[in-house]
Amino acid sequence: GENVEQHPSTLSVQEGDSAVIKCTYSDSASNYFPWYKQELGKGPQLIIDIRSNVGEKKDQRIAVTLNKTAKHFSLHITETQPEDSAVYFCAKDGNQFYFGTGTSLTVIP
Amino acid sequence: GAVVSQHPSRVICKSGTSVKIECRSLDFQATTMFWYRQFPKQSLMLMATSNEGSKATYEQGVEKDKFLINHASLTLSTLTVTSAHPEDSSFYICSARDRGRTGELFFGEGSRLTVL
Repeated sequence: GENVEQHPSTLSVQEGDSAVIKCTYSDSASNYFPWYKQELGKGPQLIIDIRSNVGEKKDQRIAVTLNKTAKHFSLHITETQPEDSAVYFCAKDGNQFYFGTGTSLTVIP
Repeated sequence: GAVVSQHPSRVICKSGTSVKIECRSLDFQATTMFWYRQFPKQSLMLMATSNEGSKATYEQGVEKDKFLINHASLTLSTLTVTSAHPEDSSFYICSARDRGRTGELFFGEGSRLTVL
């Protein structure tokens, strides 16, 4: 299978600070870029997504930016809260649907 | 959002037995379902892609005779782990693509398989 490169693998931030996670890909056929949040023992939950015809999308404290030329997209979480602590996965959807390697985010109260 | 139900959430079985996991899309039709396997602290590994009414497409290295996938309807796909062994113990997650909303993928809650 094909994985998307995701960085960092672990991230710790103080409550209230921002968190940024970045993913890069190589397949030019990708048109849809979702982000998922996975809590321990549960399946991934879609939190935000972006399509290739848009450069940025925002939903309250969460935003995603996409640079198709450079083939990378990023998740931005502002004003982080302890309940944001989880593993976050980017994914890309082209001919197949593959996940990034994951980022374990810890928000320190 | 759309709901995908996965059952059972936890299963413990003896080595050599077979286990079936169901994945249902509750409020939408799913032409395509995906099965993933996840080891602790690792990403989701795509095992196979299942299209309704046709044979599943397996990823390289995944034994199709061991992991039987059936996608008999637009709302149900099953994964059967045959002759399970302890190394098959893992977290299995299904996902379903909503045919009405291009690209969006929704996940089940996962099934924790433990083979003794």
